[in-house]
Amino acid sequence: EVQLVESGGGLVKPGGSLRLSCTASGFTFSRFTMHWVRQAPGMGLEWVACLTSGSDYIFYTDSLRGRFTISRDNAKNSLYLQMNSLRAEDTAKYYCARALQGGDDYNWGAFDVWGHGTLVTVSS
Amino acid sequence: QSVLTQPPSVSGAPGQRVTISCTGSSSNIGAGYDVHWYQQRPGTAPKVLIFGNNRRPSGVPDRFSGSKSGTSASLAITGLQAEDEAEYYCQSYDTSLSTSYVFGTGTKVTVL
Repeated sequence: EVQLVESGGGLVKPGGSLRLSCTASGFTFSRFTMHWVRQAPGMGLEWVACLTSGSDYIFYTDSLRGRFTISRDNAKNSLYLQMNSLRAEDTAKYYCARALQGGDDYNWGAFDVWGHGTLVTVSS
Repeated sequence: QSVLTQPPSVSGAPGQRVTISCTGSSSNIGAGYDVHWYQQRPGTAPKVLIFGNNRRPSGVPDRFSGSKSGTSASLAITGLQAEDEAEYYCQSYDTSLSTSYVFGTGTKVTVL
């Protein structure tokens, strides 16, 4: 079964740090671009960051660049998100998502597999 | 705030057809970038319904269809069922920022 499982969320004080993990199974993780997407309570979806299969290209949403760092370990089938200088507005459920790739690994720009998410709460 | 605008809510009786619009601009949908659609039921992760404007992943009923024209896109649900009650999001790519995947504001579909 194709699966993504996030972990590492929790309660953190403003200014603190947290590292989220996403473990993949059921597919060849090393072939896929991977993303983080977040959703604040009661709000819509917000794309956070992505990196390509070999970590050659890394992209962030403008508002988070400099505070968040995405990385991966293909040997461990794992994706990470290091979050520093956390603020109350970073409170959200963070989802790990796989890029929808077709033949020849063409990237459609969509997300076809999602984890269940991990909740990050930033509060004093 | 999102650069893709959706109506906050749409509703319909079982069996009816509803459509959800997704309005963008020349820096995203109008620039030729594909539009994708997701369904999110309460407490669950989003699920892709349509990718590449009008393509359905395997397992998605053909009651769901997508279209795109100019700077807008639409998701149509025909034969509305109780299980279709959920939040729906469009998603595309935008070049007004350095690199950005963007989601729509979301539309709550209510089955009357």
